Amino acid sequence: SAVISQKPSRDICQRGTSLTIQCQVDSQVTMMFWYRQQPGQSLTLIATANQGSEATYESGFVIDKFPISRPNLTFSTLTVSNMSPEDSSIYLCSVDWSGTSGRGEQFFGPGTRLTVL
Amino acid sequence: LAKTTQPISMDSYEGQEVNITCSHNNIATNDYITWYQQFPSQGPRFIIQGYKTKVTNEVASLFIPADRKSSTLSLPRVSLSDTAVYYCLVVSTGGGNKLTFGTGTQLKVEL
Repeated sequence: SAVISQKPSRDICQRGTSLTIQCQVDSQVTMMFWYRQQPGQSLTLIATANQGSEATYESGFVIDKFPISRPNLTFSTLTVSNMSPEDSSIYLCSVDWSGTSGRGEQFFGPGTRLTVL
Repeated sequence: LAKTTQPISMDSYEGQEVNITCSHNNIATNDYITWYQQFPSQGPRFIIQGYKTKVTNEVASLFIPADRKSSTLSLPRVSLSDTAVYYCLVVSTGGGNKLTFGTGTQLKVEL
């Protein structure tokens, strides 16, 4: 299995500012993902963080709003830029473990709870 | 990706068997059915995956009929700690392993 940590675990931010969320994995993994989970809702995939290349964004999410870095195989960051109250959500990173377990399995971090005032 | 439909919520009591059914009418040949569990303030956790017939592990069983248009997650003898949201997903082996989460089923287990 993979152990994933996220920093910060929670934050309260002012409108118009930006927050960078870090995701650290204890193993080298090829594919990392970033999700958003709004209060009481399901998870929505924001983007796939590719090592050595630009992230691949899902429909409705753009790089200017959610820039992502993936400098190596164990680390990624997601920045929520120019925040508004609508960005208040839990942001989760995950890693694909399919290559190791042989099944469509991802491990998720504990999430970062963001509140924008 | 195939869309899934599952009940919004279910209630049960400790010691009972819980069956959560998911429909995925548009499942493709190379798709697998996967279930995740999410406790409050935690990320989802993989429970079980199957392609057809029956799969069993230490946590649950997954029943998939021959047409694969639905599946049933079976949790034997639930306890209070099984209270969580359960997500049914169809995972495409050709889809870059991206996960598409539906609404999930909120299972509440009471004494």
